[in-house]
Amino acid sequence: GNSVTQMEGPVTLSEEAFLTINCTYTATGYPSLFWYVQYPGEGLQLLLKATKADDKGSNKGFEATYRKETTSFHLEKGSVQVSDSAVYFCALTTTDSWGKFQFGAGTQVVVTP
Amino acid sequence: DTGVSQDPRHKITKRGQNVTFRCDPISEHNRLYWYRQTLGQGPEFLTYFQNEAQLEKSRLLSDRFSAERPKGSFSTLEIQRTEQGDSAMYLCASSPGGQETQYFGPGTRLLVL
Repeated sequence: GNSVTQMEGPVTLSEEAFLTINCTYTATGYPSLFWYVQYPGEGLQLLLKATKADDKGSNKGFEATYRKETTSFHLEKGSVQVSDSAVYFCALTTTDSWGKFQFGAGTQVVVTP
Repeated sequence: DTGVSQDPRHKITKRGQNVTFRCDPISEHNRLYWYRQTLGQGPEFLTYFQNEAQLEKSRLLSDRFSAERPKGSFSTLEIQRTEQGDSAMYLCASSPGGQETQYFGPGTRLLVL
């Protein structure tokens, strides 16, 4: 079956620090990869996505590159802000999973001033 | 595009009672998904609809759970004879289809006492 593994949190950073959240996956079909963000008290919002190998998704200063050879989709941001404090979820869907998403457990990020 | 809405946002009930949640997807989105999210975990797939047809159900969806999507528009998720283990956030998402991005609602937080 499909699975997603994320680094455990919480990750605590100072403002303007570099952020990396590791995500690796296993998939039975060809996956599309996503990062979602969940702010306190809110639903999940799409942050970025990549649908084929070597694609780079980017949004709001965040980037992630679809690496088929290492089955990874690590999330990075060069300079975090306090407003980036949230829980980040890596997810995938495959051609044979009818579009249903498989999520990782989430990584909480706390950015301090 | 008004986004995915869910009602109610919060529900407190006593063990053994029935509850029903509603989800209104983005208009013209053919696919509608239900997920359950417990504290500190990523969302877990429950079931999904293609228009009015329920095409897949997770083994997490016991006989006490039933979902409908009459006329392929809004959807309801009913839990009969609630148990304390049903306490969770219930998320609804919709997508145009296939491996497309899923757009999530704010969720319904259920607490079973």
